[in-house]
Amino acid sequence: DAGVIQSPRHEVTEMGQEVTLRCKPISGHNSLFWYRQTMMRGLELLIYFNNNVPIDDSGMPEDRFSAKMPNASFSTLKIQPSEPRDSAVYFCASILTVNTGELFFGEGSRLTVL
Amino acid sequence: GENVEQHPSTLSVQEGDSAVIKCTYSDSASNYFPWYKQELGKRPQLIIDIRSNVGEKKDQRIAVTLNKTAKHFSLHITETQPEDSAVYFCAAMSGGGADGLTFGKGTHLIIQP
Repeated sequence: DAGVIQSPRHEVTEMGQEVTLRCKPISGHNSLFWYRQTMMRGLELLIYFNNNVPIDDSGMPEDRFSAKMPNASFSTLKIQPSEPRDSAVYFCASILTVNTGELFFGEGSRLTVL
Repeated sequence: GENVEQHPSTLSVQEGDSAVIKCTYSDSASNYFPWYKQELGKRPQLIIDIRSNVGEKKDQRIAVTLNKTAKHFSLHITETQPEDSAVYFCAAMSGGGADGLTFGKGTHLIIQP
């Protein structure tokens, strides 16, 4: 398996633009997580899905952020409109089932909002 | 929800010495405690984990200990090497997994030659 695949790896955009980050989890994994990493706040859980259903989105900063998982092999994280404080590395991660152990991370999407 | 505190934020040790990183958690229902290593510009990767029915686990130079009563767990690295330099994150999974994994803020481990 190729692991968790994220795109784009790098995104530079201007304030106010819409940003869409994409993730393909490991085949067969039932849970998918979106994390945001910054120097100041570390790794923050934004939202996670279990069997494509959003379970906990309490970490989503505000209404500008939304996430979907239309099927077991694809998820998106959208920011609209983007702001400079959204600049961070966004990681997607998947796990076989939520109690089984290792969380596998993608390589991350580095977002810079000017 | 779960809250994980991690100390220290930066740790510098001489090559060959031991390093210890400590974490505390708040939710007594948490039952899974992994440690991740993140090298510069790379993704976090699991290095060792422990479940609540075990007090200690070892894998070569790394070990993790868990004290459920005190709600703290620690990572021990012995005979440190330059390639151990990285950021280490502890995490806890609570609510039967319903809340996902909550991470500590990370420890930047620097191995001095």
